[in-house]
Amino acid sequence: NAGVTQTPKFRILKIGQSMTLQCTQDMNHNYMYWYRQDPGMGLKLIYYSVGAGITDKGEVPNGYNVSRSTTEDFPLRLELAAPSQTSVYFCASTRDTQGTGELFFGEGSRLTVL
Amino acid sequence: TQLLEQSPQFLSIQEGENLTVYCNSSSVFSSLQWYRQEPGEGPVLLVTVVTGGEVKKLKRLTFQFGDARKDSSLHITAAQPGDTGLYLCAGANTNAGKSTFGDGTTLTVKP
Repeated sequence: NAGVTQTPKFRILKIGQSMTLQCTQDMNHNYMYWYRQDPGMGLKLIYYSVGAGITDKGEVPNGYNVSRSTTEDFPLRLELAAPSQTSVYFCASTRDTQGTGELFFGEGSRLTVL
Repeated sequence: TQLLEQSPQFLSIQEGENLTVYCNSSSVFSSLQWYRQEPGEGPVLLVTVVTGGEVKKLKRLTFQFGDARKDSSLHITAAQPGDTGLYLCAGANTNAGKSTFGDGTTLTVKP
């Protein structure tokens, strides 16, 4: 089972560049999430989606954009990268229709902005 | 915004010792989850508690949800090096569609 797949695993960006982190899940989950995790810290919610065509902001959405055109895919777009966006990004999904079920996470994408 | 505070932030103990990690909030949650994360990987679910006062055991790990559903604890008996990792609590409310994570407790168990 593939589960939640994130690409790329590592990326270095220069200040001002843009990029897209890809996330796909094969579990037919409606709910998908993007988190960022700074060293030794917990997870901060960037954006989430409760189904195809629906997205909403989390705690730290500034500097990011998302789209959800299909159930499987939930890409995260970084526009005009800044050093403050250096972090590890995790995509997650859940089956629970009320959004309180087990979260399945990808392996993370480590982004460095120089 | 609902906040979850975890304590201690860091914990370093010897193999065989017992420990307790706490997760506290001023807000009520419908459910609370504990995840463990190892370096270079995503978090993995350990347990979900949904009833105030609920106690769940997973081998040497005991999880408790507070009576008022505002706090939770994780107790590990006879810790082993394999328990090393970042422990995260996450609270959610019905129909909210999202969870709030604490900042985690980094546990190191030395052989």
